Amino acid sequence: NAGVTQTPKFRILKIGQSMTLQCTQDMNHNYMYWYRQDPGMGLKLIYYSVGAGITDKGEVPNGYNVSRSTTEDFPLRLELAAPSQTSVYFCASSLTSGEQYFGPGTRLTVT
Amino acid sequence: EDKVVQSPLSLVVHEGDTVTLNCSYEVTNFRSLLWYKQEKKAPTFLFMLTSSGIEKKSGRLSSILDKKELFSILNITATQTGDSAVYLCAVGPRNYGGSQGNLIFGKGTKLSVKP
Repeated sequence: NAGVTQTPKFRILKIGQSMTLQCTQDMNHNYMYWYRQDPGMGLKLIYYSVGAGITDKGEVPNGYNVSRSTTEDFPLRLELAAPSQTSVYFCASSLTSGEQYFGPGTRLTVT
Repeated sequence: EDKVVQSPLSLVVHEGDTVTLNCSYEVTNFRSLLWYKQEKKAPTFLFMLTSSGIEKKSGRLSSILDKKELFSILNITATQTGDSAVYLCAVGPRNYGGSQGNLIFGKGTKLSVKP
């Protein structure tokens, strides 16, 4: 039981490049989330999903897209990377409301 | 607007000290308050509180919720260097399109425990 896994761990992008951050959970959780965490700040919700085929925007969705074709996977897509997207990205999952389990994070730098 | 405010933002203590971290909140439809510990990587779950006045305890850590005054405290007794971390408070749910699973996080309290 690996929990929530994320790849890659680190990535450096040039402005305007695109990439996909991968997230997989093996706990059969319905809810999945993408957060970003900037230095000295709490976690801000980017997108979330309440089940396969259902996604919705969180607090800071601009510049990102998601899909949820299976229960296990919830990739986050950055289409045109900007320096403001430099951050640490966490994926999380939960069975229902309440406790969320977090992945190890992806540190992204856009230069 | 829903919000979670933690205080202090940072704290430096010596091993053996007792610390109290604070979390106040304003959420439209409160269901639960959660505490997480974040060291270098992902947040790890500590406690979930849903009822006022009932203390949750795990070793040297304990937490209690006051739903009337809209706050929670996290106590750590006999602190150790391994307690150094950012402690995050989160309250749910925050309604984005009606989802019941969302949490709103505070900025965290950075605790540094010196030997």
